[in-house]
Amino acid sequence: AQTVTQSQPEMSVQEAETVTLSCTYDTSESDYYLFWYKQPPSRQMILVIRQEAYKQQNATENRFSVNFQKAAKSFSLKISDSQLGDAAMYFCAYRSANTGTASKLTFGTGTRLQVTL
Amino acid sequence: EAGVTQFPSHSVIEKGQTVTLRCDPISGHDNLYWYRRVMGKEIKFLLHFVKESKQDESGMPNNRFLAERTGGTYSTLKVQPAELEDSGVYFCASSQWVAENTEAFFGQGTRLTVV
Repeated sequence: AQTVTQSQPEMSVQEAETVTLSCTYDTSESDYYLFWYKQPPSRQMILVIRQEAYKQQNATENRFSVNFQKAAKSFSLKISDSQLGDAAMYFCAYRSANTGTASKLTFGTGTRLQVTL
Repeated sequence: EAGVTQFPSHSVIEKGQTVTLRCDPISGHDNLYWYRRVMGKEIKFLLHFVKESKQDESGMPNNRFLAERTGGTYSTLKVQPAELEDSGVYFCASSQWVAENTEAFFGQGTRLTVV
């Protein structure tokens, strides 16, 4: 079974600064997808960024980028130029590429990000 | 386009009572998922519908939980009788396809408190 670990329950960053959220996972599969979801205080989770395991290039979405290290099974999220609206709970998630057996997401415990002035 | 809608947003019930949570997925999404987050822990998968059929219910904790998706549209998750450990936030998600890296869209969740 796959597991996802987020070792930082809480993080804080000053506005306009950069912060990195950590995520490691464990799997025996070679093909899978990784995601970062953001849950603002209003509670609806939204997808921030996704990474296909077969792609070596790290995914980037505006101020959000990932550092995907497949051999180390690490998938960290970097938020540049942090904004007050980035304050939220961030969840790292794994999904198997084997759609015949599993399409569910496996989540970590989340990291609560605070953004200060 | 309406997103995934869940209600109620909050529910407080006594131990032993019954509660029914509802999820309306995005129109046209065949795949519907239920997840649960117990305070401070990870979000855990409960089950997956493809249209009206249960594709994977391996995450359902016990037989006090009953999920239905009649007609392949909205879904309900009933807890009967509720226990204290059932407290948490229940999320519903839907997606159009299962293949590749299809995005799952989440609802706001239902916060269930069993007292």
